[in-house]
Amino acid sequence: EVQLVQSGAEVKKPGESLKISCKGSGYSFTSYWIGWVRQMPGKGLEWMGIIYPGDSDTRYSPSFQGQVTISADKSISTAYLQWSSLKASDTAMYYCAKSNLAYCSGGSCSLDYWGQGTLVTVSS
Amino acid sequence: DIQMTQSPSSLSASVGDRVTITCRASQGISNYLAWYQQKPGKVPKLLIYAASTLQSGVPSRFSGSGSGTDFTLTISSLQPEDVATYYCQKYNSAPFTFGQGTRLEIK
Repeated sequence: EVQLVQSGAEVKKPGESLKISCKGSGYSFTSYWIGWVRQMPGKGLEWMGIIYPGDSDTRYSPSFQGQVTISADKSISTAYLQWSSLKASDTAMYYCAKSNLAYCSGGSCSLDYWGQGTLVTVSS
Repeated sequence: DIQMTQSPSSLSASVGDRVTITCRASQGISNYLAWYQQKPGKVPKLLIYAASTLQSGVPSRFSGSGSGTDFTLTISSLQPEDVATYYCQKYNSAPFTFGQGTRLEIK
């Protein structure tokens, strides 16, 4: 059974750093892209970026480039999303999801399995 | 970057109605278009990819069509469990932008 299990909810202060995780199982982790999607409270889905764990090829949305870092450790089938200095505006639910096909060129695939989401709250 | 615009932003329909949601890309994206359903408080779910291919396990009342810049998601006979927000997403090249969403309610 394909599963993406994300790390638990976080409450942080502005300026703090954070790294959340997404562990894949039940499929070949290195053959499928993992994407990250933000959903601010009461708002729509925003595509942040995507990584191919096989070679760590990563693409970012211009809106998130420089604001977050996406990485992966294929030895433990885990992808990460991290911030070096959180802002209150980073408060949101963050989802990881895998591409529906293997070996999508440039990550050009839809997202079929999603993690349960990680709620990040940034407040002083 | 290519923008994705959905219409309407919200709609209310009766059980059994045929419902159509439209997604327009600001430039051509061939058939690199997916539709997702997000029920309140739940994780998004892939319904359709490649503009018209039904994801495994999705009821056949859902269908997608279109190519280039104009796409539609159709629910042939609306059911109470279809209450959700629906998003299109383009994925021909990064960034893989989502539409703003269409909230569907039962009248």
